[in-house]
Amino acid sequence: QSVLTQPPSVSASPGQKVTISCSGSSSNIGNSYVSWYQQLPGTAPKLLIYDNNKRPSGIPDRFSGSKSGTSATLGITGLQTGDEADYYCGTWDISLNTGGVFGTGTKVTVL
Amino acid sequence: EVQLLESGGGLIQPGGSLRLSCVASGFTFSSYAMSWVRQAPGKGLEWVSVTGGSGASTFHADSVKGRFTISRDNSKNTLYLQMSSLRAEDTAVYYCAKSQTWYSSDTNLDYWGQGILVTVSS
Repeated sequence: QSVLTQPPSVSASPGQKVTISCSGSSSNIGNSYVSWYQQLPGTAPKLLIYDNNKRPSGIPDRFSGSKSGTSATLGITGLQTGDEADYYCGTWDISLNTGGVFGTGTKVTVL
Repeated sequence: EVQLLESGGGLIQPGGSLRLSCVASGFTFSSYAMSWVRQAPGKGLEWVSVTGGSGASTFHADSVKGRFTISRDNSKNTLYLQMSSLRAEDTAVYYCAKSQTWYSSDTNLDYWGQGILVTVSS
């Protein structure tokens, strides 16, 4: 069972905005950077956001990240059908001594 | 171009052992932490193991601690995951992934392999 909680699903129409929350604690999000990953059906995950709010080269600015306290948020504006995927947050947990942790995952559906 | 190529997966009986390999190319392998991440059928991602650039620092998820061991051979640009006492719940696609820096605590995984399936069943 993951220590990072995400909503199971979010949906919106093309062109609209969605936000995905990632809730943790002081031992993970509260003390570490957060990254976000997009997993299209049948493919490996892809890094979307790192260090809370930075985008790797090639990731459009429609994707944004933020962090406040023990929670993080991924935003997607101008939603496109190609954004339909599973999204995961990830971070390091200093209390578990087991390494990194992922969120429970959120399925984004474009209506 | 960064490439990560996993191998060694397949069907294994419960209680058996298997070693996964991930051959890296396109970057200075020893300068980056590396991880194994798995995904059971229809489930989410699970961080299995991570090792720092030198291999001296390693961490394993509680679900595999004592059964799985991550290691690396920087002279061969290869990451390994030795799996033993395998259980049905270890059935998953296993991904090899590269961190952005040398530190094992760097959870920014910027490159991933295509994944390899491990099926534990009698």
